[in-house]
Amino acid sequence: TQLLEQSPQFLSIQEGENLTVYCNSSSVFSSLQWYRQEPGEGPVLLVTVVTGGEVKKLKRLTFQFGDARKDSSLHITAAQPGDTGLYLCAGINDYKLSFGAGTTVTVRA
Amino acid sequence: DAGITQSPRHKVTETGTPVTLRCHQTENHRYMYWYRQDPGHGLRLIHYSYGVKDTDKGEVSDGYSVSRSKTEDFLLTLESATSSQTSVYFCAITDRPGVTQYFGPGTRLLVL
Repeated sequence: TQLLEQSPQFLSIQEGENLTVYCNSSSVFSSLQWYRQEPGEGPVLLVTVVTGGEVKKLKRLTFQFGDARKDSSLHITAAQPGDTGLYLCAGINDYKLSFGAGTTVTVRA
Repeated sequence: DAGITQSPRHKVTETGTPVTLRCHQTENHRYMYWYRQDPGHGLRLIHYSYGVKDTDKGEVSDGYSVSRSKTEDFLLTLESATSSQTSVYFCAITDRPGVTQYFGPGTRLLVL
């Protein structure tokens, strides 16, 4: 049973469109991270959100941590082919990470 | 990029044989982790280390053992490989747990 549920599992959009990926759990986390992984490589950290209700923006990426610290979302504005990859959320408790299954995002040129 | 390497990068082995995967870091980070990644499951923690000779189990530790005799190396051993251990294995390091983990490039293991 996955502690963190990500949706959708797959997402294919046209360049310039917006997309949102969701990460939900019944557990409360002290913080939550989003990673991006490209084929044949390890995940790379995008952001850490710590405070309930926190919103972080990194260029075209917006991350939100739910008020109850159980869920999070990643929104990409005007997606580009370079945004293609596997996006993973990870909840942190007791210094250990619990990962969601990931969302595979494909941005078509 | 954090200095972290994994070897081998690819391995094919037969059921019942022992397999050892190596994670090597040049960052002098205290904490090291082994994960496996399977479709539909994301990354799952196998074992982790919080110092030389200090290790603990993760959520999917059955069939795996680890050793850390020096800061830079963390070994994962499958004592008797099974087909269910076919997976991609990632090592990660950090100097502050709960903050950024830096992942290695992964080892793709196929158990026939």
